[in-house]
Amino acid sequence: DVKVTQSSRYLVKRTGEKVFLECVQDMDHENMFWYRQDPGLGLRLIYFSYDVKMKEKGDIPEGYSVSREKKERFSLILESASTNQTSMYLCASTLGGVSNQPQHFGDGTRLSIL
Amino acid sequence: LAKTTQPISMDSYEGQEVNITCSHNNIATNDYITWYQQFPSQGPRFIIQGYKTKVTNEVASLFIPADRKSSTLSLPRVSLSDTAVYYCLVGLPLHSGNTPLVFGKGTRLSVIA
Repeated sequence: DVKVTQSSRYLVKRTGEKVFLECVQDMDHENMFWYRQDPGLGLRLIYFSYDVKMKEKGDIPEGYSVSREKKERFSLILESASTNQTSMYLCASTLGGVSNQPQHFGDGTRLSIL
Repeated sequence: LAKTTQPISMDSYEGQEVNITCSHNNIATNDYITWYQQFPSQGPRFIIQGYKTKVTNEVASLFIPADRKSSTLSLPRVSLSDTAVYYCLVGLPLHSGNTPLVFGKGTRLSVIA
């Protein structure tokens, strides 16, 4: 079974801090994604990556960056955290190529910026 | 990207069959239809996927009419543990050049005892 592990379930940080959210998958998946989920807004895509060192902007990349130095790890970085980045963050991965494989999600990191 | 429309919420009693319909009028020829389920404080979980006609697995059935402009997720004899948000997504497999599928706001299913 595919396992997507997010480093923290709950995280509290202060405004202006640099915040790292880590995600690791164990199935050699090419594609990885970061979403945020807010009440009434559903899941919104922040960044995604097709392969190591590749990244693409999603729908709401402002205020975020990502890093994919190894295939199994995809990090989301909040360069200078702000209160409007308080949210649930979800990481997902999927097999690449032309196969129509579903996304596998982690259980999320609930981030609070004070 | 094909836009999807689904009801915001539904209520059902335990033991009933629940059908959630998703409209996707501008679905493209090669698009697949995929449904996810999300419980509180968890990430979404894949339920079922189809291209046309009917697909069934141990969890649900997916009905897709010939014109593919809508699809219906059918959950047989729901229980309280089926209370969750259900998302319908339409699009192509992800690889370089394709845009990732878009999660809408989903349908919040509440199962009542």
